[in-house]
Amino acid sequence: AQSVTQPDIHITVSEGASLELRCNYSYGATPYLFWYVQSPGQGLQLLLKYFSGDTLVQGIKGFEAEFKRSQSSFNLRKPSVHWSDAAEYFCAVGTGTASKLTFGTGTRLQVTL
Amino acid sequence: DAGVIQSPRHEVTEMGQEVTLRCKPISGHNSLFWYRQTMMRGLELLIYFNNNVPIDDSGMPEDRFSAKMPNASFSTLKIQPSEPRDSAVYFCASSLRANTEAFFGQGTRLTVV
Repeated sequence: AQSVTQPDIHITVSEGASLELRCNYSYGATPYLFWYVQSPGQGLQLLLKYFSGDTLVQGIKGFEAEFKRSQSSFNLRKPSVHWSDAAEYFCAVGTGTASKLTFGTGTRLQVTL
Repeated sequence: DAGVIQSPRHEVTEMGQEVTLRCKPISGHNSLFWYRQTMMRGLELLIYFNNNVPIDDSGMPEDRFSAKMPNASFSTLKIQPSEPRDSAVYFCASSLRANTEAFFGQGTRLTVV
């Protein structure tokens, strides 16, 4: 069965510092991969997606992610974090179809000023 | 486009009562998903429709839960009778086709007392 692991439950970074959120997946075929962000009391907003092609994908708000098949990873990065990036981040894999998602448990990002 | 619209945003009900959650997908989207988010279980898929037809309801927890999609612009998730352990945030999402990304609504926070 498919699964998504986000090993970091909570991360704190200083504003302006770089960020990397880890995501590992388990799925037998080529996955569709996503990162979503959730602010308190809000729905999930799509940050970026990987379907095929270039393994480095760019998203909104200055985020990027790299698909590494050999490591079954899809880590999210941002070179300089802003206080408004504080939120919960979910990695997800689409199984069978791109939009039928299995989510990781999420990583809560705190940004200190 | 207004995005995926869910109503109500908040619902408080007494144990044993019937609860109906509503969703209007993005116009033109053919796939619709209901997810539930809890602290204990995270985000989990309940049911998935394609072209108004239920495709996968394996995530529906019990017979107390039912979902319908009478037309392309409306879906309901019903819980009857409701129990305190049903308290969660319920998200509706839609996608243009099965192999495209999903867009989420703001969610309905359900509290069963």
